[in-house]
Amino acid sequence: EPEVTQTPSHQVTQMGQEVILRCVPISNHLYFYWYRQILGQKVEFLVSFYNNEISEKSEIFDDQFSVERPDGSNFTLKIRSTKLEDSAMYFCASLRGVAEQFFGPGTRLTVL
Amino acid sequence: AQRVTQPEKLLSVFKGAPVELKCNYSYSGSPELFWYVQYSRQRLQLLLRHISRESIKGFTADLNKGETSFHLKKPFAQEEDSAMYYCALSGSSNTGKLIFGQGTTLQVKP
Repeated sequence: EPEVTQTPSHQVTQMGQEVILRCVPISNHLYFYWYRQILGQKVEFLVSFYNNEISEKSEIFDDQFSVERPDGSNFTLKIRSTKLEDSAMYFCASLRGVAEQFFGPGTRLTVL
Repeated sequence: AQRVTQPEKLLSVFKGAPVELKCNYSYSGSPELFWYVQYSRQRLQLLLRHISRESIKGFTADLNKGETSFHLKKPFAQEEDSAMYYCALSGSSNTGKLIFGQGTTLQVKP
C-alpha cells in the first residue's frame, strides 16, 4: 500500500540556520499539506498546496517558511532562519480528492 | 472561529469497559468531522469520518449538530485500542485543511 514518506526522521539544527524538510506524497494525490505539532500541543495546520501553488496558509506560515514541489514527486518545507520555537514535529499529508488525508511519519525538528 | 475541543487529555479504562472520547466543535456551517488515531510509534491514520457513518474496529461516532459534538464510542475496549485519538474538522475552506483537537490518550488496562 502506498505511503507518504518523510526525510529526515530527526533534524537537529542551530538557531538561525536554514532547514529543508522533505516529503514524498502518494503519487496520484493532488493536494499536499504541512502540519506541525509542538511537544504537548495540538497538531496545527501550516499550509496547503494544490496545482503547484499555495492554496491556503495559516498565521504561523510567515515569510520564514516556504514550500516547493520541485520535481513532481518531492514536496519540501523550508524554514529560512530557524528559531527555538520552531522545534516541533512536522507532518506532511496528501489527499487525492474527497477522501482521507494520508499522513507521513513526521520529522522531528530540534533547534538549539 | 473554527475550533475543536477534546476535554480529556487522558482516559483510562479497563479492558471490556465502554469507552467514550468526547469531541466538541465550533463551526458555523456544515463541517466534516473525522477521528484520527496514532498508535505508539506509528503515523496518524484515519479511523472514522462522519460522512461514511461506518464502524471501524468497533468504534462509532455520531455527529450531533444540536450539541456540536462528535463523540467516539466503543462498547467494549480492547488493550490494542490504547493510542492517541484526535478529533478533526474540515470546514469552510475548500482546501481540505484539518483543524485538530488537543487529542486524548486512551489507556486500556488489562
